[in-house]
Formats: sequence, structure tokens, C-alpha cells
Amino acid sequence: DGGITQSPKYLFRKEGQNVTLSCEQNLNHDAMYWYRQDPGQGLRLIYYSQIVNDFQKGDIAEGYSVSREKKESFPLTVTSAQKNPTAFYLCASSLNAGVTKREQYFGPGTRLTVT
Amino acid sequence: EDQVTQSPEALRLQEGESSSLNCSYTVSGLRGLFWYRQDPGKGPEFLFTLYSAGEEKEKERLKATLTKKESFLHITAPKPEDSATYLCARIDQTGANNLFFGTGTRLTVIP
Repeated sequence: DGGITQSPKYLFRKEGQNVTLSCEQNLNHDAMYWYRQDPGQGLRLIYYSQIVNDFQKGDIAEGYSVSREKKESFPLTVTSAQKNPTAFYLCASSLNAGVTKREQYFGPGTRLTVT
Repeated sequence: EDQVTQSPEALRLQEGESSSLNCSYTVSGLRGLFWYRQDPGKGPEFLFTLYSAGEEKEKERLKATLTKKESFLHITAPKPEDSATYLCARIDQTGANNLFFGTGTRLTVIP
């Protein structure tokens, strides 16, 4: 089955600890994205990567870091510098090719709770 | 500033009662408008992409339409399983194919 997997589904951490969220896709998509979703707000872009070994900051990158060493994988680290890390985190991917293949496909999400 | 506004925030329908959800955007030169369905605690599920005014797409009880200022998601004879939050998004204007999302319409269909 082709798709995007995120792990774990639920994650609990103490304040001050870094935590890494996993995202893997087997869709052969070039581009991958990380979003954060909070109640009452739209999805907000954290980081995106259009090609291996390259990534760009989104609208709310402060306190987060990413890597893109393989086409299939785009892990997100939530650092202790992120002031409000408790949220639902969503990973997505897209072909990013041409005019008509821009839709993004999402993983199941990771709910992070920091206390 | 780029804006995507969805209305209403919440909608309750009786089973079989058709209605429409609205998504309006402020930027000119739209390069793509997307509709997603999201169930509680899950990732959004892609529904439709619209690229030009006048375009329409259908899937089962859902039909998405696009004008120069807004998009509608029409739901015909909804069933309880259509209950979800419906999100719209457009491609941003930076040149990258990033999506800018509205806050969604939470639809509840009552049996």
C-alpha cells in the first residue's frame, strides 16, 4: 500500500526535552511538508522540502528543525525552544510536478503533549 | 495579506438536507484551490483540486465549484457518514507549491 506513515500516534514529553516525530512516504513524491494544527486555527506550515538535502522554513519554523537525507523520510524535531509545542502535527507529501499535480497527501498525524 | 475564509464555521443538517459550504479568498491570480475532508484525530483526506473559474468536480454526494472569488462545496442529500470538518486551501503566492488553509467548516449530519 502506498501512503504516508507518521509515528508515534501519541507522544508525551516533559518540558525542556527535544522530541523527534517521524514521517515516511512510499509514494515517490518529491516534496514533503510539516504542518501544525491547533484548535480553531487552520493548518500552519512549519517546514517544507522540495528535494533531498534541501528544506525551507515555513510560517512558524521557530523552535523546530528538520532534515531530508532521503527522499522517503522527513523527520521533524521539536526543540525545547518551541514555546507552545503541544499540538497535532501533520506530515504531507506531493509530486510537486507540473501545473496539475500539486495536491498534498497527508499522514495520520502525531499528537504531541508536553507537560 | 493572503486570506482564505470558510463559512459557516459549523453546520448541522438533517440527513438528506442539501447545502453548500463556502471558501473565499482574497488573492488574485489563483494557482489552485483544494478541498479536503478531515475526521476527528486524523489527517486531512484529499477531495478535489480546482484550477480555473467555472471548473466543477464531483465525487459521490459532493460537488466543488470555483469562481474568481470563491469556491463552494455542495453536499447533496448528505448522510451521517459525511459528518467531518471540510478544509479548503489555496496555493500560496511565493512560487513554491505550499498550501494556505482556511479554518474549516465542521459539518454534522443528523440521522
